[in-house]
Amino acid sequence: EVQLVESGGGLVQPGGSLRLSCAASGFTFSSYWMIWVRQAPGKGLEWVANIKQDGSEKYYVDSVKGRFTISRDNAKNSLYLQMNSLRAEDTAVYYCARARSGYNSAWYSKIFDYWGQGTLVTVSS
Amino acid sequence: QSVLTQPPSVSGAPGQRVTISCTGSSSNIGAGYDVHWYQQLPGTAPKLLIYGNSNRPSGVPDRFSGSKSGTSASLAITGLQAEDEADYYCQSSDSSLTGYVFGTGTKVTVL
Repeated sequence: EVQLVESGGGLVQPGGSLRLSCAASGFTFSSYWMIWVRQAPGKGLEWVANIKQDGSEKYYVDSVKGRFTISRDNAKNSLYLQMNSLRAEDTAVYYCARARSGYNSAWYSKIFDYWGQGTLVTVSS
Repeated sequence: QSVLTQPPSVSGAPGQRVTISCTGSSSNIGAGYDVHWYQQLPGTAPKLLIYGNSNRPSGVPDRFSGSKSGTSASLAITGLQAEDEADYYCQSSDSSLTGYVFGTGTKVTVL
């Protein structure tokens, strides 16, 4: 059974840092792109970042570029999101998801087929 | 930064058919990228509902169907049931972002 379990969320002051983790099990982690998606309270879904199987390609939404870093450790079946210089507008539930390939293996052909339960990040003084 | 536009809400009586539209542009849906749909029940994580424009994952009832044409896509729910009350999001890729975009979300209410 595929499982994704996020951790590391919490309350942090503006300008602070937080590192989210996503523990994967039930599938060959190293064979899949992975993604972070966030959802602000009462709002819709927003893609944050994604990473290729070997970490050689990473993409970010403009609003987090230079502040967030996505990484992975295939030996530990884990995905990470290092978040620095946090702002109030980063407050959200952060989900990790598996990105299965669609009709080809390119970054744009991905289907988010399994999601974690999410971890809440609150940025407030 | 939602660039896929959905109606905020749709509603229908049990057994009825409802449709949700998803309007994009030439850099996402119109560029030929696939559209996927997710269902988010209250207080839970999103769940894949339709992938590759019109395909259903194993376990998704055939009451759910998807289609795509030009710069738009749509999700149809036939034989609406109380358990279908949820938020629904479309999603595609976007060449201008080198990333992914989600729709604004649609709340389905069963009357």
